[in-house]
Amino acid sequence: QQPVQSPQAVILREGEDAVINCSSSKALYSVHWYRQKHGEAPVFLMILLKGGEQKGHDKISASFNEKKQQSSLYLTASQLSYSGTYFCGTPTTSGTYKYIFGTGTRLKVLA
Amino acid sequence: GAGVSQSPRYKVAKRGQDVALRCDPISGHVSLFWYQQALGQGPEFLTYFQNEAQLDKSGLPSDRFFAERPEGSVSTLKIQRTQQEDSAVYLCASSLELGSSYEQYFGPGTRLTVT
Repeated sequence: QQPVQSPQAVILREGEDAVINCSSSKALYSVHWYRQKHGEAPVFLMILLKGGEQKGHDKISASFNEKKQQSSLYLTASQLSYSGTYFCGTPTTSGTYKYIFGTGTRLKVLA
Repeated sequence: GAGVSQSPRYKVAKRGQDVALRCDPISGHVSLFWYQQALGQGPEFLTYFQNEAQLDKSGLPSDRFFAERPEGSVSTLKIQRTQQEDSAVYLCASSLELGSSYEQYFGPGTRLTVT
């Protein structure tokens, strides 16, 4: 079952903040976040391996609530370069190989 | 350093033709994934290799799809008797670690159009 992301799409002005949520009906063993710009390959942003873990670099951070089977990506003081489609991703079960991406969130940052 | 490369970048095939898509992963990466991405959708898992072993092919949509990685480096995804529904971008990704719990590095993809 594919993780569901919300919102589906969001438009921001430069400098505004955004939160993207990823929710799964099944257990999440780890959560990864990727950004894909139009016509390009997905680029890895960060990985959260344990419940309660929070990570961040620059003005992008993420949290992982293992019990709620949710993860959130936080974009603060957004820049034009943040535009793209954001995907959460996860292995389907612990120790497995099959990988599944979330439904995606299209984000556009306007000047 | 060199990233993941894929060739060709674009492929137009007539319905019924066979195609072969190539992926050159990052040197030393043991894991290799193939994904199919339809327009406006997220990537969908096709298959996984650990070195030369294909450990998961549960995502291959039909027996017309076949993948191999004979020497544990370069991989080829072959689609026989292409159909219009096969039109998509095919992405390859590699990872230094075993399994799917780690960062994947994606290639630029091959855009397949079946006419």
